[in-house]
Amino acid sequence: TQLLEQSPQFLSIQEGENLTVYCNSSSVFSSLQWYRQEPGEGPVLLVTVVTGGEVKKLKRLTFQFGDARKDSSLHITAAQTGDTGLYLCAGGRNYGQNFVFGPGTRLSVLP
Amino acid sequence: GAVVSQHPSWVICKSGTSVKIECRSLDFQATTMFWYRQFPKQSLMLMATSNEGSKATYEQGVEKDKFLINHASLTLSTLTVTSAHPEDSSFYICSANVLGLAGGPSSYNEQFFGPGTRLTVL
Repeated sequence: TQLLEQSPQFLSIQEGENLTVYCNSSSVFSSLQWYRQEPGEGPVLLVTVVTGGEVKKLKRLTFQFGDARKDSSLHITAAQTGDTGLYLCAGGRNYGQNFVFGPGTRLSVLP
Repeated sequence: GAVVSQHPSWVICKSGTSVKIECRSLDFQATTMFWYRQFPKQSLMLMATSNEGSKATYEQGVEKDKFLINHASLTLSTLTVTSAHPEDSSFYICSANVLGLAGGPSSYNEQFFGPGTRLTVL
């Protein structure tokens, strides 16, 4: 069974601080996705990383895919209250196969 | 990104009734869609994989006669909760499986989610 772990599972920080969320597995994935979900809404795709060692930036968010394609990190610089939400990582396999989800990291950014 | 819609966004029904939830891919075709259930403050729990033109594949512990899935076209999958009970109250989310392009000869696997449907069974 393929599993994804996320850490930390809960994080509460002050606005302006930096943070990193980790997504780890013992399995190799063909792609890895990060989502942010707000209460009562569906997850919104932030990024898909595909190549081992790949780094993608989305404004203040930096995503990295591990060299072995087993782990990933999400780094947020100068967090804002609007970053509050549930962050989910999901490992992709072949087309048509279900994605493997981590348990999520619940982030609260306080003003 | 690709847009997926769900209808209804919320529904309240009496115990014993059936509820149908629609999941549509609006600007693309999706051979495969996924149905998830989410409990408060938890991650997504995969219920089933819906394949156009064939039977859905259900995850262990999910009753196929309880949660009927029909993927009759490349843009529409439906989930029907039959004889709903209060314990079926939950947030149901669908996603569409898409092949993205990595800018080269290879392609990778992506999914885009609908906005979810909040089901409350009284």
